[in-house]
Amino acid sequence: QQQVKQSPQSLIVQKGGISIINCAYENTAFDYFPWYQQFPGKGPALLIAIRPDVSEKKEGRFTISFNKSAKQFSLHIMDSQPGDSATYFCAARNTGRRALTFGSGTRLQVQP
Amino acid sequence: EPEVTQTPSHQVTQMGQEVILRCVPISNHLYFYWYRQILGQKVEFLVSFYNNEISEKSEIFDDQFSVERPDGSNFTLKIRSTKLEDSAMYFCASSEPAAGGSIGIDTQYFGPGTRLTVL
Repeated sequence: QQQVKQSPQSLIVQKGGISIINCAYENTAFDYFPWYQQFPGKGPALLIAIRPDVSEKKEGRFTISFNKSAKQFSLHIMDSQPGDSATYFCAARNTGRRALTFGSGTRLQVQP
Repeated sequence: EPEVTQTPSHQVTQMGQEVILRCVPISNHLYFYWYRQILGQKVEFLVSFYNNEISEKSEIFDDQFSVERPDGSNFTLKIRSTKLEDSAMYFCASSEPAAGGSIGIDTQYFGPGTRLTVL
């Protein structure tokens, strides 16, 4: 029940296209859903995050869509660029706790 | 921009040996974390630390592991007797309290990691 399931495992998108990564969870006590971006040899870096009281959050080209009833959330990268090529992790945090539960990651490759 | 730093970047050790991984969190942060990432797998939470004590730990964080804040700047993870399966990238992270002291959206900032190889 603590798991966060992430798909797809890998994604290839053409420059300028939309990248979509999906995550699903079972634990209704999760109250915070961040997305992290990780480049090779680096630690994960927070990209964007959402709380379950909103259905969408947008920051620049990055948007989180959140469906509380379906217990799903997704990351949309608009106008994908080669510099966006990285591994993306969704995560979730339990109410009252600080530990993050990560998804399995999606390796995104944006082709020029 | 402040960042979390970790040393060493790569540590090779023999099975059964003790290792200490070091981290310098961001200076005004009060919460500290260790996560690990086995090659090709997801990032897994190990432990969080606040006010000089462990606040949360996962089932991975057994008696072989310990954490310490030996001074005002360093945060360490000790593995007493390393096993082959401890080979992983270990990430330190830190966060500051959200306004009002609630958890809120406390961003965890990750360091670049220490790659531990147990032979």
